Amino acid sequence: QKEVEQDPGPLSVPEGAIVSLNCTYSNSAFQYFMWYRQYSRKGPELLMYTYSSGNKEDGRFTAQVDKSSKYISLFIRDSQPSDSATYLCATQPYNFNKFYFGSGTKLNVKP
Amino acid sequence: DVKVTQSSRYLVKRTGEKVFLECVQDMDHENMFWYRQDPGLGLRLIYFSYDVKMKEKGDIPEGYSVSREKKERFSLILESASTNQTSMYLCASSPTGSRLETDTQYFGPGTRLTVL
Repeated sequence: QKEVEQDPGPLSVPEGAIVSLNCTYSNSAFQYFMWYRQYSRKGPELLMYTYSSGNKEDGRFTAQVDKSSKYISLFIRDSQPSDSATYLCATQPYNFNKFYFGSGTKLNVKP
Repeated sequence: DVKVTQSSRYLVKRTGEKVFLECVQDMDHENMFWYRQDPGLGLRLIYFSYDVKMKEKGDIPEGYSVSREKKERFSLILESASTNQTSMYLCASSPTGSRLETDTQYFGPGTRLTVL
């Protein structure tokens, strides 16, 4: 079993839709949770970072962590064509430098 | 802004060639990483380094080696390239510190390597 599981998609939505991207993880030692966005032919860039259960909001993006069910989500409100990219979730144990990534979900927002 | 640069964006090599991929970061980060990214498989860790001259194997180290002679530079070496090493290679760096907001990875733009 992989440490982090993520639905690869692709996910296609109309402009303005609310997007929900999800990951599950297996190790309760994971303490930090990240979402990266990767445009085609580019390296991943950090989008959101959180280390606690609950919600963290940044503009149109909300990261949600439920440690009891080992479930992490990213919500995108009022999605735009410029949001079309692959979204990777990642986790990290406390005080350990190794990161564990999901395989990425490809999102396409249609104008 | 953290800057992670990789020596080449695209590289084409022949089977059996020795290949060097270079990565440089300018933020004095202690930790550096090499990943490969393949469709459907996501990011897979090849090697990482948490200090100069220190290295740790990741999940798929076979066929690769690394070198970290200076803090800012981390090199990935394919001793004898094979066609199954055709992939996107991503370098990343991260700090070690108490500020949680900064303890994350910053990626370079990637090198797309094709081995013929």
